[in-house]
Amino acid sequence: ETGVTQTPRHLVMGMTNKKSLKCEQHLGHNAMYWYKQSAKKPLELMFVYSLEERVENNSVPSRFSPECPNSSHLFLHLHTLQPEDSALYLCASSQQRQSYGYTFGSGTRLTVV
Amino acid sequence: QKEVEQNSGPLSVPEGAIASLNCTYSDRGSQSFFWYRQYSGKSPELIMSIYSNGDKEDGRFTAQLNKASQYVSLLIRDSQPSDSATYLCAVFPSGGYNKLIFGAGTRLAVHP
Repeated sequence: ETGVTQTPRHLVMGMTNKKSLKCEQHLGHNAMYWYKQSAKKPLELMFVYSLEERVENNSVPSRFSPECPNSSHLFLHLHTLQPEDSALYLCASSQQRQSYGYTFGSGTRLTVV
Repeated sequence: QKEVEQNSGPLSVPEGAIASLNCTYSDRGSQSFFWYRQYSGKSPELIMSIYSNGDKEDGRFTAQLNKASQYVSLLIRDSQPSDSATYLCAVFPSGGYNKLIFGAGTRLAVHP
């Protein structure tokens, strides 16, 4: 495996379900990110983990809960989501404190029904 | 709120023409600037980075940066139908590299 891999690619869940998105990076980076991409809107940064420390985004609802057990793995735990949470969820990684830009995974297309 | 603005398009150009994509940003202290390409249903792919005023060329792509005007552009020469995608401008604002901020993107359509 190379780059940044995300699973699952597609997810349909009910509003009462609990699910998790997984991301793994094979680039030796030390920072990972969750972004949300909704139609016709800019990518929205949800969470940052750098050197395994979480940087909060206070505008993200508590029904989204990130977890970063080590510098290569990142999870986004989902519970009691709303239909407006349907979007493409993108994971990215980078080398912290370097300005080379982020590398993205292929994303999880989430539909909340 | 630090922002990145792009015209949503679509920008339609004939095959072989030059496509010009523009982006403005609000944080005057921004230091690093990027262009990502995103095909429909796919994730963003980094295609250009630029850090100092002037032009930077890579194949058919040229990025231009004017920090005084807070303006970044991407030129695509000899446009091909395979260049049809959404192009996202991204900026690291002043204060570090923990928050890459994106514009909403410009959709480019190259027609034969």
